[in-house]
Amino acid sequence: DIQMTQSPSSLSASVGDRVTITCRASQSIGSSLNWYQQKPGTAPKFLIYGTFNLESGVPSRFSGSGSGTDFTLTISSLQPEDFATYYCQQSYNTPRTFGGGTKVEIK
Amino acid sequence: QVQLQQWGAGLLKPSETLSLSCDVYGGSFSGDSWTWIRQSPGKGLEWIGEINHGGSTSYNPSLRGRVTVSLDTSKNQFSLHLSSVTAADTAVYYCARCTRTFYYETNGHSGYYYYLDVWGEGTTVTVSS
Repeated sequence: DIQMTQSPSSLSASVGDRVTITCRASQSIGSSLNWYQQKPGTAPKFLIYGTFNLESGVPSRFSGSGSGTDFTLTISSLQPEDFATYYCQQSYNTPRTFGGGTKVEIK
Repeated sequence: QVQLQQWGAGLLKPSETLSLSCDVYGGSFSGDSWTWIRQSPGKGLEWIGEINHGGSTSYNPSLRGRVTVSLDTSKNQFSLHLSSVTAADTAVYYCARCTRTFYYETNGHSGYYYYLDVWGEGTTVTVSS
């Protein structure tokens, strides 16, 4: 199985801050990397596929980059509704494993 | 707009079989795969398995042959069965649509991106004696 490691596991930030979350794969996955956002008590929400392709309706302050084994999710200017947990997922092969999550909290 | 509505028993005893179903509204099974994911209390997401529109399945090896995902196109429904459950299987279970998009890179490499774009609301399953 491909192991996905996210860092940090949590971070504190203020509204307006630029936030970067890192995801590392245990082997090359090309650009087959997805991102999801989850708020407490709700199902995850799909944000980005193929490393940098935003789902329709996702604000442009979200962006993704990377390739091979190292990927990042960036929120250019954190908004109140962005406080949540973010998960990466590789879709290179099955099992389509997730990272452990990064909780973005209010500073 | 595809929507997923999931249902099934929420309280099981050890050694019983977990059975959940997910009804698909507003779409068909053609071209997509259908996935189950779970989340243990306070933990991250675990991919359980998927079935494509042709009925081919793929499962997480960590579930050691206990899992079956099936499809009933006549009912627009797919299901999860997990046998011999233990307390470790206590989790919120989600169904999701796995969409694929073709990509072609300038270096000549091509393939499909797969992503979970539509999710059910989740079903809490507790295993307790």
